[in-house]
Amino acid sequence: DIQMTQSPSSLSASVGDRVTITCRASQGISNYLAWYQLRPGKVPKVLISGASTLQSGVPSRFSGSGSGTHFTLTISSLQPEDVATYYCQTYNSAPLFGGGTKVAIK
Amino acid sequence: QVQLVESGGGVVQPGGSLRLSCAASGFTFSSYAMHWVRQAPGRGLEWVACTLHEGTNTFYADSVKGRFTISRDNSKNTLYLQMNNLRADDTALYHCAKDRYGSGMNWLDPWGQGTLVTVSS
Repeated sequence: DIQMTQSPSSLSASVGDRVTITCRASQGISNYLAWYQLRPGKVPKVLISGASTLQSGVPSRFSGSGSGTHFTLTISSLQPEDVATYYCQTYNSAPLFGGGTKVAIK
Repeated sequence: QVQLVESGGGVVQPGGSLRLSCAASGFTFSSYAMHWVRQAPGRGLEWVACTLHEGTNTFYADSVKGRFTISRDNSKNTLYLQMNNLRADDTALYHCAKDRYGSGMNWLDPWGQGTLVTVSS
């Protein structure tokens, strides 16, 4: 069975910092990867699909890259409204989520 | 716009049953696969189940197989999750979510706000 491992599990950064979250698959999943943002009290929101395709309405400071087993989500300039937990999800087979990365402001 | 509204959550004793509903609007419900995803307190997201657009083909996480049943009524634009033999570790916020396409193997967009299930004696 595929396993999805995210790192770090949490991070704290200053407003304006560049933030990178990593997601690793235990076997190759091509580019069948999405990233979600879960803000407190809000509905989960998809940010990126196909590993790097930004969804409509998502700020351009978010970007995704990777293929195969190694993927990254980057926030180029962290904003206060980006405080959330971020999850990767593979859809190579049945949906499977990573463990999540909690992002806080320092 | 697309809207998903879950209901049916509550407090239930271990071994009990509960039926969740998800009312969909703003899209052609019968054309899309639909999912249930849960988030236990202090834990991450866990995919629970999926039904393809016609409702005949269903898929489950190992943790709920044999206890939960996903179904849909396309005439009512409603998704269901029948949960039997509930355990304490089923306690979670349950979201319904629309598959981006019809295969059931896509990203999920959008999601509902969730309904809380608490299994406790």
